[in-house]
Amino acid sequence: EAAVTQSPRSKVAVTGGKVTLSCHQTNNHDYMYWYRQDTGHGLRLIHYSYVADSTEKGDIPDGYKASRPSQENFSLILELASLSQTAVYFCASSDDWGGAQTLYFGSGTRLTVL
Amino acid sequence: AQKVTQTQTSISVMEKTTVTMDCVYETQDSSYFLFWYKQTASGEIVFLIRQDSYKKENATVGHYSLNFQKPKSSIGLIITATQIEDSAVYFCAMREGWASSSFSKLVFGQGTSLSVVP
Repeated sequence: EAAVTQSPRSKVAVTGGKVTLSCHQTNNHDYMYWYRQDTGHGLRLIHYSYVADSTEKGDIPDGYKASRPSQENFSLILELASLSQTAVYFCASSDDWGGAQTLYFGSGTRLTVL
Repeated sequence: AQKVTQTQTSISVMEKTTVTMDCVYETQDSSYFLFWYKQTASGEIVFLIRQDSYKKENATVGHYSLNFQKPKSSIGLIITATQIEDSAVYFCAMREGWASSSFSKLVFGQGTSLSVVP
């Protein structure tokens, strides 16, 4: 069974502060993703990575940075947190099967920016 | 750019009946993959079923099946003999094929909330 672990499970941050969300996978998967979930918008891709030390922008990268220091770890960084970044964040990993691969999701991090 | 749209915000059905959830997609690619994921009340998101664009036969897994209508760019999820525990939010998603510059991206629809009542 695939295992993707996110930390913290929830966090309260202040506007303008720095927030780091962490993700760790033990699946030996090449691909990792950060999604944001807001009511009415489904899941939107922020950043993704297909190899260590390299990240790619997703559909809504503004205000976010990502870091992939190793195959197992993928972080999402909010340098200057804003109220609009209050959301639930999901990390996921997948193998590379040319598109057919499924994603394994973490349990999510609920971020509240005050 | 690829796009996935689920217009049904919420559906309520009686237990043991059949429900269909709609999804339409947009892509310029001739090869793509369509997925359905389920998010439970606890927030857990799990993969349910996949349809490859080059396959004519509809995918089936357990009591989940797909209604793939390629000319209409439509991929409906059908759940037969619904159970209370099928109550969840269902997301349609699409990934373009390896030849696409954005093939690494899985794009999701807005989700449909299903409530199965006794």
